[in-house]
Amino acid sequence: EAGVVQSPRYKIIEKKQPVAFWCNPISGHNTLYWYRQNLGQGPELLIRYENEEAVDDSQLPKDRFSAERLKGVDSTLKIQPAELGDSAVYLCASSFQGPSQETQYFGPGTRLLVL
Amino acid sequence: DQQVKQNSPSLSVQEGRISILNCDYTNSMFDYFLWYKKYPAEGPTFLISISSIKDKNEDGRFTVFLNKSAKHLSLHIVPSQPGDSAVYFCAAIAYSGAGSYQLTFGKGTKLSVIP
Repeated sequence: EAGVVQSPRYKIIEKKQPVAFWCNPISGHNTLYWYRQNLGQGPELLIRYENEEAVDDSQLPKDRFSAERLKGVDSTLKIQPAELGDSAVYLCASSFQGPSQETQYFGPGTRLLVL
Repeated sequence: DQQVKQNSPSLSVQEGRISILNCDYTNSMFDYFLWYKKYPAEGPTFLISISSIKDKNEDGRFTVFLNKSAKHLSLHIVPSQPGDSAVYFCAAIAYSGAGSYQLTFGKGTKLSVIP
């Protein structure tokens, strides 16, 4: 069974440019998460979806970040415009139920470098 | 304010010996704890978890101990193998009702197992 798929794996852009990341969760997983991991830090949750509904986006910087999960499957995270401080690894994860019933399965992440 | 703390950024252990990774937390509402392992250029993978109603959970070479009064948990790996070399993240979950929860990661500890 395929794991969580993310693309692209790497992205280099200039500041003020837009960028988008794509995530395909494990089939049948109804919960999807986007995390940001800065160098030397643990992952920090940006947004969590239950099916197509964003149930926790309190940590998402809404002035420049947006996300969608159409049809409750794939998801896209967008940054517009990107800033230097957005350089990080963006991780997508999915789980069947809440994290205590079934653990989160992470994708390999997208490493973003903003110049 | 770091609610989940991994105070040792790195740890080196001889192959065959025991590895002990420590994690402290400050939020008394945390009631489920997880350890993740992360190899370079990959997403974190779930290793082992423990509920707050237990003080020990064992899975093969991996054992997690929880001391609620001290707000401390530890991961023991016995015997350590070179393939265990990775970054280990401690994570904790606090449920706030109505399906809401907070998942917080520590900064990670890089374990190096020396052959």
